[in-house]
Amino acid sequence: LAKTTQPISMDSYEGQEVNITCSHNNIATNDYITWYQQFPSQGPRFIIQGYKTKVTNEVASLFIPADRKSSTLSLPRVSLSDTAVYYCLRSTNAGKSTFGDGTTLTVKP
Amino acid sequence: GAVVSQHPSRVICKSGTSVKIECRSLDFQATTMFWYRQFPKQSLMLMATSNEGSKATYEQGVEKDKFLINHASLTLSTLTVTSAHPEDSSFYICSASVGGNRGEQYFGPGTRLTVT
Repeated sequence: LAKTTQPISMDSYEGQEVNITCSHNNIATNDYITWYQQFPSQGPRFIIQGYKTKVTNEVASLFIPADRKSSTLSLPRVSLSDTAVYYCLRSTNAGKSTFGDGTTLTVKP
Repeated sequence: GAVVSQHPSRVICKSGTSVKIECRSLDFQATTMFWYRQFPKQSLMLMATSNEGSKATYEQGVEKDKFLINHASLTLSTLTVTSAHPEDSSFYICSASVGGNRGEQYFGPGTRLTVT
């Protein structure tokens, strides 16, 4: 299965912008990239999805370069409540959706 | 909108018994539902993909006779862990999608299964 690669952990401080990059070198033409947030003992929560270039919503931005081999989730002005595990998900047109190992983001006061 | 529920949220059962977990899409019809398993401090592992009215597609290494999946309607899928053993203790999470696998997935809150 095609997994994505992310940093295992990141630390940040309240109010800072956080950028988490995900590698997906073997991404196929029809694949989408979706980011999820997960708190302990809860199901993942959708953050943002994209195919190419830049997508922005009320909570985050997603940057995907032209070659689509990576993507960067940008969280503006994080708060303590943003401490969670963030997953970059590659959704393939074969019907498989594989989670990578996730990035544990710790936001400090 | 796009709420997915799971029941029960937590279950403890004895070794050798079977446990059924329900996954419901509350305000939309899900053409595809997915079942994941997550062990402590690990990522989600896809167990199977189910489409309404057809047999589930299981991932390699997942025993289909042990993890029975039924997707009888567009709003309900069930996972039955048969003859559960302590090693089946895990966090089971379902998700539902309207547009196949490329569409956004809506996840349930998860079910914590403990087998004693």
